[in-house]
Amino acid sequence: GAVVSQHPSRVICKSGTSVKIECRSLDFQATTMFWYRQFPKKSLMLMATSNEGSKATYEQGVEKDKFLINHASLTLSTLTVTSAHPEDSSFYICSARDLDRGDSNEQFFGPGTRLTVL
Amino acid sequence: GQNIDQPTEMTATEGAIVQINCTYQTSGFNGLFWYQQHAGEAPTFLSYNVLDGLEEKGRFSSFLSRSKGYSYLLLKELQMKDSASYLCAFLDSNYQLIWGAGTKLIIKP
Repeated sequence: GAVVSQHPSRVICKSGTSVKIECRSLDFQATTMFWYRQFPKKSLMLMATSNEGSKATYEQGVEKDKFLINHASLTLSTLTVTSAHPEDSSFYICSARDLDRGDSNEQFFGPGTRLTVL
Repeated sequence: GQNIDQPTEMTATEGAIVQINCTYQTSGFNGLFWYQQHAGEAPTFLSYNVLDGLEEKGRFSSFLSRSKGYSYLLLKELQMKDSASYLCAFLDSNYQLIWGAGTKLIIKP
């Protein structure tokens, strides 16, 4: 099946530093990847849609200068949380759509990254 | 507008059957998903319905009625490991997933 990995799985950083999270599709190509944020006991909130070779599309209320997204290849998208603050602490999850499954709209999820900003 | 609603929490007994309902409203619809999410983990795919009717997959079945904006996930022969949150989500006209808040299912022995 389609596998998506995320790295790191857990990160703790000091306030003011930047953190990069990688999302990789391991056995398929993904023209579109999605970045979600999830607060405890809440549903997933779509942050942005990342398209390979073009600028990401951010959802309303998400600061694009704070959450930098790069989708440089068909198997890798990165999310960089710049100048992180404690309120950025959250569970970040990426997902990808399989290019070859043209008739399927299924998104395959990475295992998530737990970010804690001190 | 768009909205999606599912119960916050449900409790069921091991070995029994439970049905988790999901209702939605949207002008554009491209299918409905059910995901299972254990605490601290990412969601895992359970089912995808784009046409009306029942889709059965082992102990789990999912039903969709597009005219009623209604879906349910049916879990049979409940096991303790089925304790998790169950998220329904529909694909809107832009092919973006609109998520429900999730139903926390508690299984008791």
